[in-house]
Amino acid sequence: GENVEQHPSTLSVQEGDSAVIKCTYSDSASNYFPWYKQELGKRPQLIIDIRSNVGEKKDQRIAVTLNKTAKHFSLHITETQPEDSAVYFCAASTSGTYKYIFGTGTRLKVLA
Amino acid sequence: SAVISQKPSRDICQRGTSLTIQCQVDSQVTMMFWYRQQPGQSLTLIATANQGSEATYESGFVIDKFPISRPNLTFSTLTVSNMSPEDSSIYLCSVQTGGNTEAFFGQGTRLTVV
Repeated sequence: GENVEQHPSTLSVQEGDSAVIKCTYSDSASNYFPWYKQELGKRPQLIIDIRSNVGEKKDQRIAVTLNKTAKHFSLHITETQPEDSAVYFCAASTSGTYKYIFGTGTRLKVLA
Repeated sequence: SAVISQKPSRDICQRGTSLTIQCQVDSQVTMMFWYRQQPGQSLTLIATANQGSEATYESGFVIDKFPISRPNLTFSTLTVSNMSPEDSSIYLCSVQTGGNTEAFFGQGTRLTVV
């Protein structure tokens, strides 16, 4: 079945620096790749997503890139702020089942 | 978007008993899913709740342990049966209003089995 690997598991950056989280998926039929942010004790919330017909998408300080050939996708956060501190999950989904397979998560800590 | 009400928000249960978790959505949705999230871990899909038919379970999860109902397009239940301490976890329902679109999550049910 589909497997999604995510790295790193933890990431500490200074406020104002950039953070990059990387994911690799196994199912070449996957065509939708969302990223979720989960703050402590709260439900996951979508921050950005990308479909397989697009190579890059940006929303203010957040961007996602997709390399279909390599089956990699990455989350980029620029000008990090303390409120960016949370756990981030990537996921992959395939038309037909539409279920999400989540990566293992990255705990991001932004140091003030 | 979709607003999900999930209850109970938490419970402490005796081993060997069962707990039913409810998920109510404010609009009709095509897809509903149940996930488990153990402390500090990722979300693991338990099953897809199919309206009017049996749920589709992922590897490692079986209907006898996690029976699911979905009587209509706005409601689903997950039962955790014959509980053991290993079932202690957060259980979340999730919905999508269309294929390959944003998934919305309930607030989760924190289950502790003693």
